[in-house]
Amino acid sequence: GAVVSQHPSWVICKSGTSVKIECRSLDFQATTMFWYRQFPKQSLMLMATSNEGSKATYEQGVEKDKFLINHASLTLSTLTVTSAHPEDSSFYICSASDSPRYTFGSGTRLTVV
Amino acid sequence: QQPVQSPQAVILREGEDAVINCSSSKALYSVHWYRQKHGEAPVFLMILLKGGEQKGHEKISASFNEKKQQSSLYLTASQLSYSGTYFCGTGGSGGSNYKLTFGKGTLLTVNP
Repeated sequence: GAVVSQHPSWVICKSGTSVKIECRSLDFQATTMFWYRQFPKQSLMLMATSNEGSKATYEQGVEKDKFLINHASLTLSTLTVTSAHPEDSSFYICSASDSPRYTFGSGTRLTVV
Repeated sequence: QQPVQSPQAVILREGEDAVINCSSSKALYSVHWYRQKHGEAPVFLMILLKGGEQKGHEKISASFNEKKQQSSLYLTASQLSYSGTYFCGTGGSGGSNYKLTFGKGTLLTVNP
């Protein structure tokens, strides 16, 4: 089955620094990947759609300059949280479609101190 | 628009059955069901496409009523491993570039 790898699994960073999260499709090509954020006991909220070779599409209310997305190849998308603050602490998950199903990465727990 | 799930939570004893519902105010082309355990990523259960249905597991099945814009997930003879939060995700026509919008989830607890 389709496998999506996400790295790192967890990260602790200081307020004001940037953090990069990688999402890779291991056994299929993904022209589109999706980034979600999940706060404790809440649903998965779509942040942005990452498109290979073009700009990402952000959901309403998501700051483009704060959450930088790069989809440079058919198997890799990255999310960079810039100038992180404690309120950015959350569980970030990527997903990709090996049509028709969508597979999630293992998630990254970000803690900003 | 976010689909509506019900119930919000359910507690079962091992061996009992449960039904989780998902409804949308918009036309549904596909419904995706996932289970998430605490601290982990969601795991795919099954997908139901407009005009068809797929069964993903032996004791877990689902229905899709396109006219009513609803889907239901059926868990029979529940096991302890079924515990977790179940999410339905609604999407477009099934193409790989269609985003999924998830409901708020249903917390299922199975006790011995």
